[in-house]
Amino acid sequence: DAKTTQPNSMESNEEEPVHLPCNHSTISGTDYIHWYRQLPSQGPEYVIHGLTSNVNNRMASLAIAEDRKSSTLILHRATLRDAAVYYCILRGYGGATNKLIFGTGTLLAVQP
Amino acid sequence: EPEVTQTPSHQVTQMGQEVILRCVPISNHLYFYWYRQILGQKVEFLVSFYNNEISEKSEIFDDQFSVERPDGSNFTLKIRSTKLEDSAMYFCASSDGQGVTDTQYFGPGTRLTVL
Repeated sequence: DAKTTQPNSMESNEEEPVHLPCNHSTISGTDYIHWYRQLPSQGPEYVIHGLTSNVNNRMASLAIAEDRKSSTLILHRATLRDAAVYYCILRGYGGATNKLIFGTGTLLAVQP
Repeated sequence: EPEVTQTPSHQVTQMGQEVILRCVPISNHLYFYWYRQILGQKVEFLVSFYNNEISEKSEIFDDQFSVERPDGSNFTLKIRSTKLEDSAMYFCASSDGQGVTDTQYFGPGTRLTVL
């Protein structure tokens, strides 16, 4: 499985945008980039996914570099509720598995 | 909005005892999973289940573990003889497909404490 690299932690102020980076330099052409987050004491929660084009949904935006070796999850206005661990996960067609492989993620702290 | 539920929220057991963790996946989903997270560590895949069979299991999922869908709504994880190192949060998840774009929906977890 292709590996992702994320900063261990980031801080943001409430109501400001947050850009969470993810490097995936060994991504293959058919790997999708998924983001999940885990709020304190909860199970992981899907945020967004994309392949090549930038994606928007009600939770966030995903900006994917042209060479696909990196991506950025964008929270447009952070709230206290967005404090969580954010995981960048690659999912590809390489095998029969549909499991999610979690790394250590980025712990986002949001200050009031 | 439909959600995955898990019971109990916290289970305390003695080493060597059997435990059954229960999950009710989202009703129209066909693919079911168990993950675990030891305190302070990564979320780890244990097993996936489809059509009443295990699709894939990790190295962690040894003979002490089993899964079952005993009826049309529940999905269970049984640990036959618990060890201290089984103490962790156990998360159930479900999805309606198994493709690389399918979303897995997670439950709130069961905290298992083995004494």
